[in-house]
Amino acid sequence: QVQLVQSGAEVKKPGASVKVSCKASAYTFTSYGINWVRQAPGQGLEWMGWISAYNGKTNYAPKFQGRVTMTTDTSTTTAYMELRSLRSDDTAVYYCARSLQAAGTGFDYWGQGTLVTVSS
Amino acid sequence: SYELTQPPSVSVSPGQTASITCSGDKLGDKYVCWYQQKPGQSPVLVISEDKKRPSGIPERFSGSNSGNTATLTISGTQAMDEADYYCQAWDSSTAGVFGTGTKVTVL
Repeated sequence: QVQLVQSGAEVKKPGASVKVSCKASAYTFTSYGINWVRQAPGQGLEWMGWISAYNGKTNYAPKFQGRVTMTTDTSTTTAYMELRSLRSDDTAVYYCARSLQAAGTGFDYWGQGTLVTVSS
Repeated sequence: SYELTQPPSVSVSPGQTASITCSGDKLGDKYVCWYQQKPGQSPVLVISEDKKRPSGIPERFSGSNSGNTATLTISGTQAMDEADYYCQAWDSSTAGVFGTGTKVTVL
């Protein structure tokens, strides 16, 4: 069955960068895009951006533009999200989620989430 | 930036109908999705493109969208439906936006 398996929890200091991976399996990787969504402790969901696994086209939320980079590796069917210049309010669970299109279609499969803690 | 507003909480008795609203400017012109999230778990898509139920989602979940309001309806609510629910749409620049979230309590 379709699976998205994310990398493990991370602890980072303010100002550092974090790179989270999302390994996809059991579907044609290049036929879908990958979204990244985060959730701060006790808070709601926040969309960070989308990347096409077909051609690498990205669409980032304005809030993260300039601080986030999303990439894919089709040879390993893995998506990556790198967030730079981390702050304490970046502490959150980060999810990857599959979607058929950049907009309009739902996120039908989600990873298990990766907790990123930013603390000095 | 585009905003989607949901009621913070909805309470419902077992077997009754729960309605969760999601409000946004001209929301009826956009596709809306709904997600269910239980504590400690990843979200689950329960409605896509306003009213489509993904495979495996019970028929008691339905959606509608018109004007400035989208609605997720849970008919014959069960205890297992107790969760947080989020609506989602895309703004004019195709940026995804989530609603503020609604906690559904089954009393």
